Amino acid sequence: QVQLVESGGGVVQSGGSLRLSCAASGSIFSSSGMHWVRQVPGKGLEWVAFIWYDGNNKKYADFVKGRFTISRDNSKNTLYLQMNSLRSEDTAVYYCAKDPCSSNICYLDHWGQGTLVTVSS
Amino acid sequence: EIVLTQSPDFQSVTPKEKVTITCRASQNIGRSLQWYQQKPDQSPKLLIKYASQSISGVPSRFSGSGSGTDFTLTINSLEAEDAATYYCHQSSSSPYTFGQGTKLEIK
Repeated sequence: QVQLVESGGGVVQSGGSLRLSCAASGSIFSSSGMHWVRQVPGKGLEWVAFIWYDGNNKKYADFVKGRFTISRDNSKNTLYLQMNSLRSEDTAVYYCAKDPCSSNICYLDHWGQGTLVTVSS
Repeated sequence: EIVLTQSPDFQSVTPKEKVTITCRASQNIGRSLQWYQQKPDQSPKLLIKYASQSISGVPSRFSGSGSGTDFTLTINSLEAEDAATYYCHQSSSSPYTFGQGTKLEIK
């Protein structure tokens, strides 16, 4: 069974940076695409970014392009989200999620518990 | 960007009732549509993939249908544990958008 555990959330000032991590259990990580999805407390889900199994292709939502970078280290079974130039509207719970496909998006079959990012102005 | 519009936004239902939630896409997405359930203070959980394919471990009362632009999630014989918010999600083209959610309240 796949387990995903996010970390790195916290309070940061507007304009600041934060790096989220998502540690995955199991050997399946290195053959799976991975996503970040966020949720403003009390609101709906927003897809943020996707990365291929090998890290060679990435896709982003327009509202994070140029500010956020998704990456992965398969030797550590870990997914990252580097968030720069943070804004108050980036305040949300950030989830990592696994995709069973390696180099295209299929669906999100396992989710972490989420980590809360609060951007203060 | 593909916009997914769910209806209704909120529904109050009684146990054993049949529930239907719809998701309309702003353009043709084939069958690249998933349904997720999110209970309070929990992470989302995959219910249906590719519009109508069932997921191992998900109760059989959950089913999906549709293709193109119109999709439906049906819950037969609703149970109290089905109180949650339900989201559709398209995997057809980036950005991979979600619907706004449908909150089900159990009376």
